[in-house]
Amino acid sequence: QKEVEQNSGPLSVPEGAIASLNCTYSDRGSQSFFWYRQYSGKSPELIMFIYSNGDKEDGRFTAQLNKASQYVSLLIRDSQPSDSATYLCAVNQAGTALIFGKGTTLSVSS
Amino acid sequence: GAGVSQSPSNKVTEKGKDVELRCDPISGHTALYWYRQSLGQGLEFLIYFQGNSAPDKSGLPSDRFSAERTGGSVSTLTIQRTQQEDSAVYLCASSSAHEQYFGPGTRLTVT
Repeated sequence: QKEVEQNSGPLSVPEGAIASLNCTYSDRGSQSFFWYRQYSGKSPELIMFIYSNGDKEDGRFTAQLNKASQYVSLLIRDSQPSDSATYLCAVNQAGTALIFGKGTTLSVSS
Repeated sequence: GAGVSQSPSNKVTEKGKDVELRCDPISGHTALYWYRQSLGQGLEFLIYFQGNSAPDKSGLPSDRFSAERTGGSVSTLTIQRTQQEDSAVYLCASSSAHEQYFGPGTRLTVT
């Protein structure tokens, strides 16, 4: 059974702080790793993807991948109240369905 | 450009009726995926299309569920004899490579 695990939270951080979201996965054959943001009542929105070990930065977001530890994380710098949402980690092999974690709820207080 | 579109946005149906949900992928995207998300649950894979073929139907929960895709574009998910446990948000995603982009979803309520 291929699984993706996330802490459900809620993760609460003050405005301006760094939010750190973590995810582990069971399938060593996973090749692609994604972070989606989902606001309440909305569909998931792709915010980051990473394929290679190491860090990938895009604006305030940094994705980190460690395939040996089967671990992927998302850092959000200078957190804003508008970042409050559920963050979904997803993994797959090329051309296959995404396997999602159940998501971590982030709350950024002003 | 235009994203993935889905219709209807909301559907309320009586138990036992059939429903059809439509997905219009991003133009040029050859891969199309159907997922569903139940209240408080994670996203559950249903079926995957590459072009008009469905190489992976492993997520369809029962034979009441079927899907087709025509012209390598629009896809229809059909649920026959709906049950209350079918109530969920049905999400479609399309992809040209690795990244999958989701439509707004169809919220299905079976009364």
